[in-house]
This record gives sequence, C-alpha cells and structure tokens, in this order.
Amino acid sequence: DIQMTQSPSSVSASVGDGVTISCRASQGIGSWLAWYQQKAGKVPKLLIYGASNLQGGVPSRFSGSGSGTEFTLTISSLQPEDFATYYCQQSNSFPFTFGPGTKVDI
Amino acid sequence: EVQLVESGGGLVQPGRSLRLSCTTSGFAFGDYAIAWVRQGPGQGLEWVGVSRNKASGGTRTEYATSVRGRFILSRDDSKSIAHLQMNSLKPEDTAVYYCTREEFDASETWGQGTLVTVSS
Repeated sequence: DIQMTQSPSSVSASVGDGVTISCRASQGIGSWLAWYQQKAGKVPKLLIYGASNLQGGVPSRFSGSGSGTEFTLTISSLQPEDFATYYCQQSNSFPFTFGPGTKVDI
Repeated sequence: EVQLVESGGGLVQPGRSLRLSCTTSGFAFGDYAIAWVRQGPGQGLEWVGVSRNKASGGTRTEYATSVRGRFILSRDDSKSIAHLQMNSLKPEDTAVYYCTREEFDASETWGQGTLVTVSS
C-alpha cells in the first residue's frame, strides 16, 4: 500500500494568515491526489482533486500543487470557517489511502 | 440534489456480521463509482473500498488491506443503492461509515454516515 504522510500534524494560525500543508506519498502517484476539509463533527468535504483542481464552490483562497511524491495545500488568507482538519488522499493505485490529517486551529 | 444516505449501523458483537446500505438519489447511479470511507472515534479517515461502475472496466470492487476478505461491496444499479457487507467484525472496525460518490477518483459527495460499534 502507498503510505501518505502529512506535515505538520497541527498548526496554529490567525485569521488572515497564509498556511501551507504538505503531503508526501511513499511512491510516485502522478497527480492523483485529493484534499479534504473536515470540520469538527461534520462530514468531510472535497476541496481539490487531481492535485490542483479546485472543486466547484470551493473558495479560490485554497490551492493545491505538486506531483509525484510531494504535494502542498495552501490557504492564502485564513478565514474563521477554515479552522478544520485537512486530509490528503492518493487515488493512483488501489487501495486508495489517506494521510493522517493536519489540524489547523487558532 | 445529489443525496447519499447510509443506514444499517448499530451495535454488534465481535465476530458477527452487519450490512450497511447507501441509498442514493438525484443522479444517474450507474454512471458513478461508490466508495466507502470510515472514521474511528477520534481518528482520521480510512478508505474502505470502492464499487466501480460498469463503464470503469477492470475489477469491479477494490478493498483496503485491513478489510479484504471480510468485507464485501455490492451495488444494485436498478435501485440506486450500494451495500457494504461486513463479516467477522472486530472491535477495531468501530467507526462512522460514510458512502461517497466518486468523481475523478475523489470522494466528491458524502453521506452523513452511520455508526458501527463492535463490542461485546
């Protein structure tokens, strides 16, 4: 199975800050990477697919980049509603696997 | 409106079986793969498996290593419903189970989840 790691595991930030979350795959996955946001007690929400494609309705302050084994999710200017846990997921090969998550809090 | 609704969760003893259902509406079910993702209490997301649509070709179902041989995915395209049959359940299978609609191999739309508790 492809192992996904994320760093940092948690980050403290303020409204208006820029935040970058890293995701690394144990082997190359091309651009088959998605990012999800999960707020406390809520259902996960797809933000980005194909490493850099913004899902419809997702604010443009979210962006994704990378290919191969190294990926990043960037939030350009944190808003109050962005405090959540973020997960990456590879879909290059079965079984698909998630990263352990990065919690963004105040 | 695209909707997925999970049902069938509950308390079950270790070693027993349980079948979850994912009832969908608002889209052409047969055109989409349906995946299952679970989340243990206080834990992260874990991909469980996917039931691919006919147009995808290849193997129709894929499973996580942790559930392969115990869980079985199926789908009834005529009823727009997917099932997750869970056998030989273990305490570590305790989780909220989500069904999701796949688009571009990502879980685009999620149900609200159903809680499965495996305990004696």
